[in-house]
Amino acid sequence: ELKVEQNPLFLSMQEGKNYTIYCNYSTTSDRLYWYRQDPGKSLESLFVLLSNGAVKQEGRLMASLDTKARLSTLHITAAVHDLSATYFCAVNSGNTPLVFGKGTRLSVIA
Amino acid sequence: DVKVTQSSRYLVKRTGEKVFLECVQDMDHENMFWYRQDPGLGLRLIYFSYDVKMKEKGDIPEGYSVSREKKERFSLILESASTNQTSMYLCASSPPFNSPLHFGNGTRLTVT
Repeated sequence: ELKVEQNPLFLSMQEGKNYTIYCNYSTTSDRLYWYRQDPGKSLESLFVLLSNGAVKQEGRLMASLDTKARLSTLHITAAVHDLSATYFCAVNSGNTPLVFGKGTRLSVIA
Repeated sequence: DVKVTQSSRYLVKRTGEKVFLECVQDMDHENMFWYRQDPGLGLRLIYFSYDVKMKEKGDIPEGYSVSREKKERFSLILESASTNQTSMYLCASSPPFNSPLHFGNGTRLTVT
């Protein structure tokens, strides 16, 4: 059974600081997704990581994938308030639905 | 842009009522999904469908059923609503597997 674990589950960080969210998964996977959810809103896709060593960047967010370690990281650079949201990673294997982590609630404070 | 529309944003129902949550997508996607989202538990898959009239159980199907009579529409049914089904329900669609999911805005259901 595929399990996905994120940590931390809650993260309060100061503006301008850097931090990393971790996503571990339990079995071989085809691809890994990162989603963002703003309060009261639905989920929007941020990144799709397809292969070992894949790195994707958009603005202050950078996601990477290490399939051998079954680990993905979402790195936040010089955080700003607009990045406050809940971030989910999700994984699937073969033709199966995505399994989501529990989410990391990020709060960026001045 | 893909649009996934859930018929109700907020819904309040009584225990024992039969509840229908409707979801429509406009991109001819094969796959459709129903998740529920609860604080501290993330998203959990209830049911999914990869074709018209096809359905598969997810991780927590108990107390729910689904209907997919047309490709664009996927309905979640609570046969007899209970208070532990109070939750946020999210519908999603995608092309064949290994594509990102497109989510609707969610239905926040309260069962009293």
